[in-house]
Amino acid sequence: DTGVSQDPRHKITKRGQNVTFRCDPISEHNRLYWYRQTLGQGPEFLTYFQNEAQLEKSRLLSDRFSAERPKGSFSTLEIQRTEQGDSAMYLCASSLVGGQRYEQYFGPGTRLTVT
Amino acid sequence: ELKVEQNPLFLSMQEGKNYTIYCNYSTTSDRLYWYRQDPGKSLESLFVLLSNGAVKQEGRLMASLDTKARLSTLHITAAVHDLSATYFCAVDIYGNQFYFGTGTSLTVIP
Repeated sequence: DTGVSQDPRHKITKRGQNVTFRCDPISEHNRLYWYRQTLGQGPEFLTYFQNEAQLEKSRLLSDRFSAERPKGSFSTLEIQRTEQGDSAMYLCASSLVGGQRYEQYFGPGTRLTVT
Repeated sequence: ELKVEQNPLFLSMQEGKNYTIYCNYSTTSDRLYWYRQDPGKSLESLFVLLSNGAVKQEGRLMASLDTKARLSTLHITAAVHDLSATYFCAVDIYGNQFYFGTGTSLTVIP
């Protein structure tokens, strides 16, 4: 257990529905990242926050995706009008910027299945 | 765009044998990470390599970094079944997003 938690762990939804995932990072970490991982691939970067500011978004993050980190603590990732291609594991990670390591600690992930 | 390539993609090895996984990346970075992932699980940090020539060892795994060659290696010594997993290297640029390799799926056969 890295100290990063995600909820739910599994989500099955029908195409066209909206889904929201939550990530609680390690409490003293100021950066929070979202990744998507499909079967047989490495994680792909989606977006990251420093405190409450969203600093970077990948081209993978279509306008159906939105992420927030309202108070610089937990974060949510919402997918609107889900498509079957959204089926993947969504991973959250956190890190403490300012030290030397920049190491990211990953949560257990939320597995999304769109039927 | 930064590319991170690992080879081999699949590795089947007998217990007790040695092998090396290679990670090449396409742009300058001084920080490289190795992670382990078990099926259906998240990523577990193995090593953080922060400078050219860095070498880290933990048990039967040893990682090294050559920033000039843009190459990192993960060496497995006397493999055991418990090491079966997928191993990812990742490179970060300016402490922002990580770029992950394609992963190496390791199976250790008794």
